[in-house]
Amino acid sequence: QSALTQPPSASGSPGQSVTISCTGTSSDVGGYNYVSWYQQHPGKAPKLMIYEVSKRPSGVPDRFSGSKSGNTASLTVSGLQAEDEADYYCSSYAGSNPLVFGTGTKVTVL
Amino acid sequence: QVQLQESGPGLVKPSQTLSLTCTVSGGSISSGGYYWSWIRQHPGKGLEWIGYLYYSGNTYYNPSLKSRVTISIDTSKNQFSLKLSSVTAADTAVYYCARYSGSYCWFDPWGQGTLVTVSS
Repeated sequence: QSALTQPPSASGSPGQSVTISCTGTSSDVGGYNYVSWYQQHPGKAPKLMIYEVSKRPSGVPDRFSGSKSGNTASLTVSGLQAEDEADYYCSSYAGSNPLVFGTGTKVTVL
Repeated sequence: QVQLQESGPGLVKPSQTLSLTCTVSGGSISSGGYYWSWIRQHPGKGLEWIGYLYYSGNTYYNPSLKSRVTISIDTSKNQFSLKLSSVTAADTAVYYCARYSGSYCWFDPWGQGTLVTVSS
């Protein structure tokens, strides 16, 4: 059960957009529309930001959006704000090995 | 609003068993459709799913930890627990409990996390 691959870091200036990728296989990301994304600030618990590839829980700003193509899912943060600086993790349902997380991406707001 | 809170020793000796409890408030642990989960995060590293269970007692574990992990539930106390045996320094991590939706495959909410250090 290998972790999903994310870039270690991403950055953007306030107001710009940043996109984070999450690459898996046909056994996880590519096989199911059950990709979710979590935001984690230092010393805090992760927070659900996106589920089922592109759905936002109540209270999550619409600046956060998700998509998927083949074995790669993506999270886009538009109109970057200082408070968006955090670590982001993807996860995917993976069938018989039920769950796998991504390696994590540190987003820096320049 | 459902809330989760981890509790247990912050220091465990090598070769011993790590034991943590998660108390659920604001909702019943016997609610259908949800799995009660443990996730850990090694210092400065990413998230690792440990396992989860349904209120009926069905359990699912990360294959890499399966031989050492037991997750159990106490519906009378609205709690679920983690036991990890034969710990080493490599098990030093922040341990989180979280609710997992079996229908939509997300974790929400999460407990605040508790740091467990394995050291003699």
